[in-house]
Amino acid sequence: KQEVTQIPAALSVPEGENLVLNCSFTDSAIYNLQWFRQDPGKGLTSLLLIQSSQREQTSGRLNASLDKSSGRSTLYIAASQPGDSATYLCAVRPIPSGYALNFGKGTSLLVTP
Amino acid sequence: DGGITQSPKYLFRKEGQNVTLSCEQNLNHDAMYWYRQDPGQGLRLIYYSQIVNDFQKGDIAEGYSVSREKKESFPLTVTSAQKNPTAFYLCASRRTGADGELFFGEGSRLTVL
Repeated sequence: KQEVTQIPAALSVPEGENLVLNCSFTDSAIYNLQWFRQDPGKGLTSLLLIQSSQREQTSGRLNASLDKSSGRSTLYIAASQPGDSATYLCAVRPIPSGYALNFGKGTSLLVTP
Repeated sequence: DGGITQSPKYLFRKEGQNVTLSCEQNLNHDAMYWYRQDPGQGLRLIYYSQIVNDFQKGDIAEGYSVSREKKESFPLTVTSAQKNPTAFYLCASRRTGADGELFFGEGSRLTVL
């Protein structure tokens, strides 16, 4: 079964720093990988979706990369702000089942002023 | 605005009672999902449906039931057979196809008294 791991579980950085969140998965047979943000007590908000044929996706200060062969993805956040504080989750959609995503447990990010 | 609406946001239940969580989407998505989120355990799939009048069990379906009579609606019933129902429940949907992005509702928190 596909296992998704996110390290570290928690991260604290001062405002303005650039940071990288890591996601690894055990089986490279995936349709796509998706990054989400979750604020406390809220649902998940989709940030970026990377198809298996793509290497990266960008949205504003966020850049996500995908190295399918090594089973890794990174989410790069530029010039972090206190409003970026949240839990970030990655999920992969496996081949061939493909019906649902396998989620990591997330990285809890705190950006301090 | 298009989106996924879950209700109620908070629900309290006495032991032995069944409760139903509502999930409605106006995104015209074929596939809908129910996940359960517990601290430290990540998201776990309860049930999913890829088309009206059809649904499949996920990883932790015991003690839960669903129906899919309309494309836009996918209610989840937590039955008295579910031994540990206190959790945060998340509904999601996506269009079918290999590249479908997953979207979530705001969640429903169930507490058993």
